[in-house]
Amino acid sequence: GNSVTQMEGPVTLSEEAFLTINCTYTATGYPSLFWYVQYPGEGLQLLLKATKADDKGSNKGFEATYRKETTSFHLEKGSVQVSDSAVYFCALSGGETSGSRLTFGEGTQLTVNP
Amino acid sequence: KAGVTQTPRYLIKTRGQQVTLSCSPISGHRSVSWYQQTPGQGLQFLFEYFSETQRNKGNFPGRFSGRQFSNSRSEMNVSTLELGDSALYLCASSLVVGMNTEAFFGQGTRLTVV
Repeated sequence: GNSVTQMEGPVTLSEEAFLTINCTYTATGYPSLFWYVQYPGEGLQLLLKATKADDKGSNKGFEATYRKETTSFHLEKGSVQVSDSAVYFCALSGGETSGSRLTFGEGTQLTVNP
Repeated sequence: KAGVTQTPRYLIKTRGQQVTLSCSPISGHRSVSWYQQTPGQGLQFLFEYFSETQRNKGNFPGRFSGRQFSNSRSEMNVSTLELGDSALYLCASSLVVGMNTEAFFGQGTRLTVV
């Protein structure tokens, strides 16, 4: 079945450092891929998405490219800010499941220090 | 435009009791999905409703049930509560059902079973 694997966390960076959070997936066909962010005490917010191979999703300085050949969707940001501290979830829909059902990775806690 | 509203925000129940959680989707959205978030299991899909019909169901026991009303509002019910049901329950609404559809999440209901 569908599955998503994220790099183990937590991740701690200094402000303005480069961020990479790895995400790989298992799914048949061509799933849609998402990154969601969760701030303390809040629900999830969609950060970016990509719906086909080689698509690049981007938002608020974050980017991720849908790599079919490596089944990956790594999240990157060139210069993180303290306000980026949150939990980041990689997710997919489609593949072996129908509808809008999302399969999530474990989440990666990011802490950015000033 | 109001976001996804979940009520109540916090709930404390005793083992063996039942509980009903409510979700009001974004106006115009007809699809509602429910997820359980726990530290151990992460984010797990419970079920998805569209036009008052359950379209997808996750791997949860029959104690977990839901429904959707004609105005798209949704409720989920958990009967015979167990300690392990303590979790953050998140509701997500989408305009329609589909793998490329963006899901908007509410802030969640934090359920504690004692």
